[in-house]
Amino acid sequence: DAGVTQSPTHLIKTRGQQVTLRCSPKSGHDTVSWYQQALGQGPQFIFQYYEEEERQRGNFPDRFSGHQFPNYSSELNVNALLLGDSALYLCASGLNGGGDEQFFGPGTRLTVL
Amino acid sequence: AQSVTQLDSQVPVFEEAPVELRCNYSSSVSVYLFWYVQYPNQGLQLLLKYLSGSTLVKGINGFEAEFNKSQTSFHLRKPSVHISDTAEYFCAVSFSGGYQKVTFGTGTKLQVIP
Repeated sequence: DAGVTQSPTHLIKTRGQQVTLRCSPKSGHDTVSWYQQALGQGPQFIFQYYEEEERQRGNFPDRFSGHQFPNYSSELNVNALLLGDSALYLCASGLNGGGDEQFFGPGTRLTVL
Repeated sequence: AQSVTQLDSQVPVFEEAPVELRCNYSSSVSVYLFWYVQYPNQGLQLLLKYLSGSTLVKGINGFEAEFNKSQTSFHLRKPSVHISDTAEYFCAVSFSGGYQKVTFGTGTKLQVIP
């Protein structure tokens, strides 16, 4: 079992550009959550996907959007990038109704110049 | 709404000494509690979790935590730390019966001194 995988590992973009980050959940998991971790901070919840729909959302603007595919993998899209979007983006997967812990991927480090 | 407070941003401790990392939470409903560890340039790894039952929870790498409902605390302890324990530790809470949205504290950097 490969666990949660994310791609790419690192990404450099410029302000105003758009970016797509990808996540494959742990085998058997059906929910995917995305978190933003700025340098020196704890992860902040962006949103969660289940059954291909956004189920919960944190305090992030509409520039942040996502998608979940039938195979449970997920994408995070960020439009009109700002310098402040530079962060480690973490994907976590879990099992709906489990109430249990989530398994985190290694993250994608996004740098916006 | 739920929140997590980790009062200590950094904790230096000598190797083989005991350590306690403090965590307090606030929530109006029942919660699940977690401690995660993050090594440099890596994702989060679960150390231990409290869902229900015994208030003393044992995790990996010799860590344990005690859930104290009256004090709304979930402090992490290890009786003897090793150099390899140097990392950042995050306390986290989720709403039991919810959809696994996890709220994290700001983290505590544990620095083990040889």
